Amino acid sequence: DAGVIQSPRHEVTEMGQEVTLRCKPISGHDYLFWYRQTMMRGLELLIYFNNNVPIDDSGMPEDRFSAKMPNASFSTLKIQPSEPRDSAVYFCASTPGQSLVSNQPQHFGDGTRLSIL
Amino acid sequence: QQQVKQSPQSLIVQKGGISIINCAYENTAFDYFPWYQQFPGKGPALLIAIRPDVSEKKEGRFTISFNKSAKQFSLHIMDSQPGDSATYFCAASTSNFGNEKLTFGTGTRLTIIP
Repeated sequence: DAGVIQSPRHEVTEMGQEVTLRCKPISGHDYLFWYRQTMMRGLELLIYFNNNVPIDDSGMPEDRFSAKMPNASFSTLKIQPSEPRDSAVYFCASTPGQSLVSNQPQHFGDGTRLSIL
Repeated sequence: QQQVKQSPQSLIVQKGGISIINCAYENTAFDYFPWYQQFPGKGPALLIAIRPDVSEKKEGRFTISFNKSAKQFSLHIMDSQPGDSATYFCAASTSNFGNEKLTFGTGTRLTIIP
């Protein structure tokens, strides 16, 4: 059973370039999350979707960041133009959503390590 | 009010010892408290979770203790092993249907030494 799949695993690019991170959630999961992890700020929620619709994007740091979910099996996080301070590990996670019994865990991908030079 | 404060930032424990990580929250609407474990190069993964209707939950060597009046909860790892070396995140959420947002603590890097 495939987990959350993120690509690329590593990305190194120069300041000012456009960066696109990709995520394939677990099939059947209704919710998708994008997080950013840094030593200084820990794990920050950037945006999350329910049934492909953005629900909360209050964590998106600037207009340079945008996220889309064109269908249930694919999402992108785009940074344009990129800056050195965007260097971080970006995680995608998915969850099926709450059952009537209990919260469901979030399943994380292995992340994209982004370095902006 | 949405913050979850976690301590310590890093922790070194000898093999066989007890590792203790603490978290505190302010939002009294939180009613679901998971702990996530993260190994280098991997995403966080759910370790154990608790709801405030119980004061303690145990799964193997991992125990969550919950103090509702103090708005604090902690993770205890008994008989700590080198394989437990990882970063641990506490988190909190509400059970409101349709709200899947987790508020994470800042993480604790745990190192178990032989």
